[in-house]
Amino acid sequence: DQQVKQNSPSLSVQEGRISILNCDYTNSMFDYFLWYKKYPAEGPTFLISISSIKDKNEDGRFTVFLNKSAKHLSLHIVPSQPGDSAVYFCAAMSQAGTALIFGKGTTLS
Amino acid sequence: DGGITQSPKYLFRKEGQNVTLSCEQNLNHDAMYWYRQDPGQGLRLIYYSQIVNDFQKGDIAEGYSVSREKKESFPLTVTSAQKNPTAFYLCATEPATHYGYTFGSGTRLTVV
Repeated sequence: DQQVKQNSPSLSVQEGRISILNCDYTNSMFDYFLWYKKYPAEGPTFLISISSIKDKNEDGRFTVFLNKSAKHLSLHIVPSQPGDSAVYFCAAMSQAGTALIFGKGTTLS
Repeated sequence: DGGITQSPKYLFRKEGQNVTLSCEQNLNHDAMYWYRQDPGQGLRLIYYSQIVNDFQKGDIAEGYSVSREKKESFPLTVTSAQKNPTAFYLCATEPATHYGYTFGSGTRLTVV
């Protein structure tokens, strides 16, 4: 059973507009969340993370929001640029966890 | 220049053969991981190692084996028991828990 879900396989956004990528999780023990960006035939690169003690973390054009009661997080990219076209993975880990659990990814174009 | 080196970038294997994928790091990170990526499947954990001479199975370990004899190296062997080995394999490291991973550039394995 998937513990980290990215229900939108793809998203298309115009340059300059906001991109919003969503992620849901089922395990209430998750306390650390990350977003990774991946280009074809390359390894993922770290974008931004958030701890469960926060509800927002910002880094330049990227902001991650965490809603613990809804078990939902989202990544906002403002403004969107052509170079942002890639697959975005949401990942989570619990305090007792030993490895990141990844969602299936959302392709942003 | 610190980083993770995965080799080869592309690998072709005949059915019934074992192949070994290399992952070397000079980041001095304790933890190392192997993930597999298939289209539409995200990243799935194969094996991980928190310290030298110790490793644990991930969610899809069947048909794979690993070793961790040195801190810098975590090779993955894809055995003939792996029924569907064609995939993109990613190695990652982490200095300590909750720091986030650094990924290698991946190895594309194709069974011919």
